[in-house]
Amino acid sequence: GAVVSQHPSWVICKSGTSVKIECRSLDFQATTMFWYRQFPKQSLMLMATSNEGSKATYEQGVEKDKFLINHASLTLSTLTVTSAHPEDSSFYICSRGHQNYGYTFGSGTRLTVV
Amino acid sequence: GENVEQHPSTLSVQEGDSAVIKCTYSDSASNYFPWYKQELGKGPQLIIDIRSNVGEKKDQRIAVTLNKTAKHFSLHITETQPEDSAVYFCAASRGSSNTGKLIFGQGTTLQVKP
Repeated sequence: GAVVSQHPSWVICKSGTSVKIECRSLDFQATTMFWYRQFPKQSLMLMATSNEGSKATYEQGVEKDKFLINHASLTLSTLTVTSAHPEDSSFYICSRGHQNYGYTFGSGTRLTVV
Repeated sequence: GENVEQHPSTLSVQEGDSAVIKCTYSDSASNYFPWYKQELGKGPQLIIDIRSNVGEKKDQRIAVTLNKTAKHFSLHITETQPEDSAVYFCAASRGSSNTGKLIFGQGTTLQVKP
């Protein structure tokens, strides 16, 4: 089956610093990957669609200068939360779609900003 | 925009009973409808999916039904077990290659009492 690896699984950072989260498609090349944010007891909210070799497509209300997405290869997409603040504390999840295997999700990253 | 409504938000059943979760979607172009199980602190795991050219799909104790005319789909779990306790999400997307946006319902917390 499909495998998506996400790192780190959890991170604590100080307010004002930046944090990078990696999402790797281990078995298939992925021209498109997705980044979600999930607050406690809530659903997954799509933040942006990561496109290999081009700019990411952000959902309405998501600040592209704050949540930097880089998809430089067909197996790696990164999300950088810049100048993090406590309200950015959340569970961030990436996913990859495949025509045969549907959408596969990473294990998520718990970000805590103190 | 696209929207997926999911009900109920919480569901408690006795072990061995059946559980039904229902979702409706707004985008008539949606053609892929997966269901995910999410355990605490983990990414969603696909449990079953259905495409718009099929009305029903079953996998052991889990089944999904789709009514395209009414734009709703349901998850049915029979002979529930305590290990079925988790949060379940429905989702919908359009496109044939699973590279389009996946929109999630609000989630249902299922508790199976032993």
